[in-house]
Amino acid sequence: EDKVVQSPLSLVVHEGDTVTLNCSYEVTNFRSLLWYKQEKKAPTFLFMLTSSGIEKKSGRLSSILDKKELFSILNITATQTGDSAVYLCAVCTGANSKLTFGKGITLSVRP
Amino acid sequence: EAQVTQNPRYLITVTGKKLTVTCSQNMNHEYMSWYRQDPGLGLRQIYYSMNVEVTDKGDVPEGYKVSRKEKRNFPLILESPSPNQTSLYFCASGPGQGYAQYFGPGTRLTVT
Repeated sequence: EDKVVQSPLSLVVHEGDTVTLNCSYEVTNFRSLLWYKQEKKAPTFLFMLTSSGIEKKSGRLSSILDKKELFSILNITATQTGDSAVYLCAVCTGANSKLTFGKGITLSVRP
Repeated sequence: EAQVTQNPRYLITVTGKKLTVTCSQNMNHEYMSWYRQDPGLGLRQIYYSMNVEVTDKGDVPEGYKVSRKEKRNFPLILESPSPNQTSLYFCASGPGQGYAQYFGPGTRLTVT
């Protein structure tokens, strides 16, 4: 059974802090790893990673994948209150492109 | 605007009364999927479709049906809803296998 584990489950930081969110996985037939942000509504797409060691970056957010150690991290620098959300990691597998999601990490950024 | 739409957004119904949640995308995506999201269980795939007339079961298909007669539409059918199907439902679409999936706004269903 495919498994995606995110840690920590939740964290509280202050504006300006840097945070690192973790995602590890055990799956068969890996295709890609995706990060989503969910703010009380639909998940919105952040990154898709397919190759090890290549960082994807968008503004203050960046992510990297390690296919040997089977994990990914999502970094957020200079956090803002608008970064408060649940961050979801999902692994895409198999010929059917199934997404297996982790339980999510709840990030709260205090002013 | 490129988007996935779902209707209705909120629905309260009674056990056994058939219902359909519609999903439509305007991005010409081949891949469409339905998920449910429950506290403590996260997002789980119900059904998916890789193209018109091609559908298959996800992890939690029991009690649901789908159809894909047109590329843009992928309705979710509950023939006889039960209280354990109370959940938040998301439709998603993507360009094809291995690509990112983009989510609709969600449908909050309550079955009493």
